[in-house]
Amino acid sequence: SAVISQKPSRDICQRGTSLTIQCQVDSQVTMMFWYRQQPGQSLTLIATANQGSEATYESGFVIDKFPISRPNLTFSTLTVSNMSPEDSSIYLCSVAGLKSQYFGPGTRLLVL
Amino acid sequence: GQQVMQIPQYQHVQEGEDFTTYCNSSTTLSNIQWYKQRPGGHPVFLIQLVKSGEVKKQKRLTFQFGEAKKNSSLHITATQTTDVGTYFCAGQAAGNKLTFGGGTRVLVKP
Repeated sequence: SAVISQKPSRDICQRGTSLTIQCQVDSQVTMMFWYRQQPGQSLTLIATANQGSEATYESGFVIDKFPISRPNLTFSTLTVSNMSPEDSSIYLCSVAGLKSQYFGPGTRLLVL
Repeated sequence: GQQVMQIPQYQHVQEGEDFTTYCNSSTTLSNIQWYKQRPGGHPVFLIQLVKSGEVKKQKRLTFQFGEAKKNSSLHITATQTTDVGTYFCAGQAAGNKLTFGGGTRVLVKP
């Protein structure tokens, strides 16, 4: 299994600003993902963070809004840009294991 | 694209009773996974099912994968307060990403 940490654990931000979320894994992993979970909802995949190349975004998510970095096999960042109240959500980093995915503790974001 | 539906959305269970949550995929899956998310927590992997008709048990939890590999169920017997949380199924078609169902939110009445 993989141990994943995320920073910050929570934040309250003003609309129009940006927040960068960090994800650190205790081992090298090939596949790293970013999910969004809106209050009381399921998990929606934002993008797959690729090491050494641009992230692969899912339908409805764009790089200008959610730029992602993946400088190495243990670390990634997700930036939520030009935030609005609709971006209030939990953002989860995840990595793929052999039979499952492991999730970080999440970053709880509230945009005022 | 692939869709995964889960029912019921909410499940209120009397402690000691049994219940089942169901998961249906719009496409044939290579495997299905189940996760549990406690209130305020993050999803935690429970099990993966790969074979058609597969049944796996974890103590009071029984997981089943349909013959057509498009549906799955989770049955919990003798529900306890520790079973509170949201149970998600997540389906994976060959080579594709994991698609999560909407989840079943379980509340246990003592």
